[in-house]
Amino acid sequence: QVQLKESGPGLVQPSQTLSLTCTVSGFSLTSNSVSWVRQPPGKGLEWMGAIWSGGSTDYNSALKSRLSISRDTSKSQVFLKMNSLQTEDTAIYFCTFMYTTDYYPDWFAYWGQGTLVTVSS
Amino acid sequence: IQMTQSPSLLSASVGDRVTLSCKAGQNINNYLAWYQQKLGEAPKLLIYNANSLQTGIPSRFSGSGSGTDFTLTISSLQPEDVATYFCQQYNSWYTFGAGTKLELK
Repeated sequence: QVQLKESGPGLVQPSQTLSLTCTVSGFSLTSNSVSWVRQPPGKGLEWMGAIWSGGSTDYNSALKSRLSISRDTSKSQVFLKMNSLQTEDTAIYFCTFMYTTDYYPDWFAYWGQGTLVTVSS
Repeated sequence: IQMTQSPSLLSASVGDRVTLSCKAGQNINNYLAWYQQKLGEAPKLLIYNANSLQTGIPSRFSGSGSGTDFTLTISSLQPEDVATYFCQQYNSWYTFGAGTKLELK
């Protein structure tokens, strides 16, 4: 069955770079796509960006200048890197499975458990 | 695309029929999903394409609507349905509503 699991540091200092890994199983990154979604504590959900099955990426325009998503298909891993972190980037970060192979109307069918990232000195 | 959910908080009793509303800022061609998020958990997909029930989701959940106005209905509220419910459009990229928190009266 489809599974996703996020990992990464729980604490990041302001102005530093966040690096997260999403390890997937039950599907191939060359057949489906993965998006990252984040949720500040007690608040709503924000789509951050996606990596499509062909390896291309798209980003939320509000984060595009700071965000990079990549993958290692041999390890079934997707990576998120975001620089210049501020306190407002404190959130739970989720990776999600999408059936689509490229940008196309599609929903987030499966979610990882999420990882809390706190930006603080 | 702005998504507006109402109410933000809903109190209901076990067995009640519950209706949650979601309005899109423009026509989203029925590209709408509903998610349930219980405290401390990841969101879980309930409904996609406005009215298609995700596999494994109880039939007491249903979605309806078209264009800009959508509804999630729980036909008979159960204690395990206490959660926050989010709608999400995927007609133009992806945006979520702010959520409706459902509690027991």
